[in-house]
Amino acid sequence: QKEVEQDPGPLSVPEGAIVSLNCTYSNSAFQYFMWYRQYSRKGPELLMYTYSSGNKEDGRFTAQVDKSSKYISLFIRDSQPSDSATYLCAMSFQGAQKLVFGQGTRLTINP
Amino acid sequence: DTGVSQNPRHKITKRGQNVTFRCDPISEHNRLYWYRQTLGQGPEFLTYFQNEAQLEKSRLLSDRFSAERPKGSFSTLEIQRTEQGDSAMYLCASSLTGPGYNEQFFGPGTRLTVL
Repeated sequence: QKEVEQDPGPLSVPEGAIVSLNCTYSNSAFQYFMWYRQYSRKGPELLMYTYSSGNKEDGRFTAQVDKSSKYISLFIRDSQPSDSATYLCAMSFQGAQKLVFGQGTRLTINP
Repeated sequence: DTGVSQNPRHKITKRGQNVTFRCDPISEHNRLYWYRQTLGQGPEFLTYFQNEAQLEKSRLLSDRFSAERPKGSFSTLEIQRTEQGDSAMYLCASSLTGPGYNEQFFGPGTRLTVL
């Protein structure tokens, strides 16, 4: 069993829809939770990070962490075709440097 | 461009050959990371440096892999006697050092194809 599980999709939704992306994890010691976006043939770029549990909002993006359920989510409101990419969740331990990534979910927003 | 740069962007080699990749981090970042990403998977951690010291290595980093960061600036990742299973995107990232969370900024990657 992988430490971080993420449905690879693909996920296809119409423009303007609300998108929900999720990851589950097995190690309760994870403290930092990140969402990265990766366009084809590019490196990942950080969208949001959250420390421990709670919600964080940035524009059209909202990240939620539920440590009791070992579950994290990313919501995208008013989705745009430019949001089409692979979304990777990542986690790290307190004081650790390496990131542990999920498999990535491939998202397509259809105009 | 002040981001992380990697060279070459693409490398095609024959099985058994040695290859070397280079990563230039963001200039003020003293931490540098290497990850490997295979098709349809998320990146997997290989190793990281703080300045010139290599502080952690994954078990994925077999004896055929070696990474260096002389003088704490750019880093090289060498793969000896390449195998077809080494075909992947090799990503470099860099970050600052400090308490709490330090964002890792990724480069565009080097795509390796072993024939």
